Amino acid sequence: KQEVTQIPAALSVPEGENLVLNCSFTDSAIYNLQWFRQDPGKGLTSLLLIQSSQREQTSGRLNASLDKSSGRSTLYIAASQPGDSATYLCAVTTSGTYKYIFGTGTRLKVLA
Amino acid sequence: DVKVTQSSRYLVKRTGEKVFLECVQDMDHENMFWYRQDPGLGLRLIYFSYDVKMKEKGDIPEGYSVSREKKERFSLILESASTNQTSMYLCARRTNRGEMNTEAFFGQGTRLTVV
Repeated sequence: KQEVTQIPAALSVPEGENLVLNCSFTDSAIYNLQWFRQDPGKGLTSLLLIQSSQREQTSGRLNASLDKSSGRSTLYIAASQPGDSATYLCAVTTSGTYKYIFGTGTRLKVLA
Repeated sequence: DVKVTQSSRYLVKRTGEKVFLECVQDMDHENMFWYRQDPGLGLRLIYFSYDVKMKEKGDIPEGYSVSREKKERFSLILESASTNQTSMYLCARRTNRGEMNTEAFFGQGTRLTVV
């Protein structure tokens, strides 16, 4: 059974720092992995999608990498800003299924 | 801009009421999902639908049912609401194209309180 873990559960950094969020999964047979952002009381906003054949994806200050063999993905945020404060979730789709399995998220706070 | 619209942001219902949560997507996407999100438990899949009138149970279907009569609309039904169904409910849609699954997009969520 696929399990997704995100460490740390919470992170607080000063503005301007570069930071890395981690996502681990137990079954490497995945279709893809997607990173989301969630603001308090709101829905999920898609950030980046990495297909199983890809190693990384970039969007603006965000870069996500995928290492299927080790069951890991990282989300790199460059030059963090207070507006980046949110909960970040990763989710994987295991081969042969339609559904996403989510991690429990990393709550990020960027201090001005 | 992709839109997944949930009919209500906040709902308060009484124990025993029948509750309908509606979700509408503006694209011709096959797969639609209902999740609930609770502190410490994360997002858990209730039901998903891969086409009109087609549905499959997720991880926690007990106490819920769904309806998909048109491709753009996926409804979650609480037959007899209970206090343990107080939660944030999230609807999502995505297209499945064989190996190349596309992005999932979520609605804004419905915060349901059962009193």
